[in-house]
Amino acid sequence: QKEVEQNSGPLSVPEGAIASLNCTYSDRGSQSFFWYRQYSGKSPELIMFIYSNGDKEDGRFTAQLNKASQYVSLLIRDSQPSDSATYLCAVNIKPGLDQAAGNKLTFGGGTRVLVKP
Amino acid sequence: EAGVAQSPRYKIIEKRQSVAFWCNPISGHATLYWYQQILGQGPKLLIQFQNNGVVDDSQLPKDRFSAERLKGVDSTLKIQPAKLEDSAVYLCASSLDVPAPQHFGDGTRLSIL
Repeated sequence: QKEVEQNSGPLSVPEGAIASLNCTYSDRGSQSFFWYRQYSGKSPELIMFIYSNGDKEDGRFTAQLNKASQYVSLLIRDSQPSDSATYLCAVNIKPGLDQAAGNKLTFGGGTRVLVKP
Repeated sequence: EAGVAQSPRYKIIEKRQSVAFWCNPISGHATLYWYQQILGQGPKLLIQFQNNGVVDDSQLPKDRFSAERLKGVDSTLKIQPAKLEDSAVYLCASSLDVPAPQHFGDGTRLSIL
């Protein structure tokens, strides 16, 4: 079982619709969760992070975390063609005695999103 | 605020040659990471530095890869000798604190012939 799993897609959504992306993780000790957007040929760009159960909204993006079920999701409202990209889910575990060691991100393979006009 | 700087942007070498990449993190960021991203996959951590000390290098192929971060700022990643499977984008990232979001540089796209 992979540590962080995402559906590779492509997830095709019409312009103006809601894109829903899911990510599951295997380590129950995971504490921090990040969503990165990566355009083709570009580096990952942080768009959201969430630490607590529930929803966190930032503009058209909403991150949802359910630690009991070990999944984190990303909703993109009013999808635009410029949202077409690969979305990477990343998780890290709770730092132990060595605080720096805990900040190790494990990435999923990414979900490719295509927003069609 | 200046972002993470990496060079070169592209590199083409033949197998068994050596190559080096350079990274300058965001000012004040104590933690620096090197990732390898193979086409179609998520980034994989190779090595993590906290200031100039190595925190995690468990996935670094130490027989051919090496990295250093002198004076706790800039870092270099070296591959010697390169293999065909090393063709990938090498990403450098930095973060301010633990846990904290990581910010990525533009990466170096390495092609091995």
